[in-house]
Amino acid sequence: EPEVTQTPSHQVTQMGQEVILRCVPISNHLYFYWYRQILGQKVEFLVSFYNNEISEKSEIFDDQFSVERPDGSNFTLKIRSTKLEDSAMYFCASSEVSPNQPQHFGDGTRLSIL
Amino acid sequence: KQEVTQIPAALSVPEGENLVLNCSFTDSAIYNLQWFRQDPGKGLTSLLLIQSSQREQTSGRLNASLDKSSGRSTLYIAASQPGDSATYLCAVRSGGGADGLTFGKGTHLIIQP
Repeated sequence: EPEVTQTPSHQVTQMGQEVILRCVPISNHLYFYWYRQILGQKVEFLVSFYNNEISEKSEIFDDQFSVERPDGSNFTLKIRSTKLEDSAMYFCASSEVSPNQPQHFGDGTRLSIL
Repeated sequence: KQEVTQIPAALSVPEGENLVLNCSFTDSAIYNLQWFRQDPGKGLTSLLLIQSSQREQTSGRLNASLDKSSGRSTLYIAASQPGDSATYLCAVRSGGGADGLTFGKGTHLIIQP
């Protein structure tokens, strides 16, 4: 069964450094998303992406964050200058045609900021 | 602002029992509601999606119902098995053009062999 893949599974970065998290959505899907889950807390929506532009972003997704689809298969989340509070599990998801269809999640990247 | 609550936070039952997980949401103007399971250290696996116009969805031993007007959904698991042990998350896609899902904190389910 097709799945969303994320790399790396674990990223350790020094505070203040830039980090890029990578995702390969399911191949025929058109909507892409990033979520995060701080340890012990709820999964939180960050951003959705459609037709090569941001469709919606939450208040968490400030100027430190950016997303990009650099080629036909990858979808990336960049955090420009990481803070300790950015430590979390970051999940990528995709849905086939619209957000009204099931969102399918990857296994996540655990980001640890030192 | 949409808030999603799941009760109970944790549940431990013997194998073979039927059980019900509850989800409530504060704003009934939703597009859909999705149930997921999350295994430790893993991503979210989509179980069922109910559109706002639907009352229930079934997949195998799972049945999810939706009462939009009262802001409630239940996930019914029949004949539970140890492999059902996981955290079950409820998430809603709110109205007003929202793309993102709003999640509950989940119910941590343990099925005792």
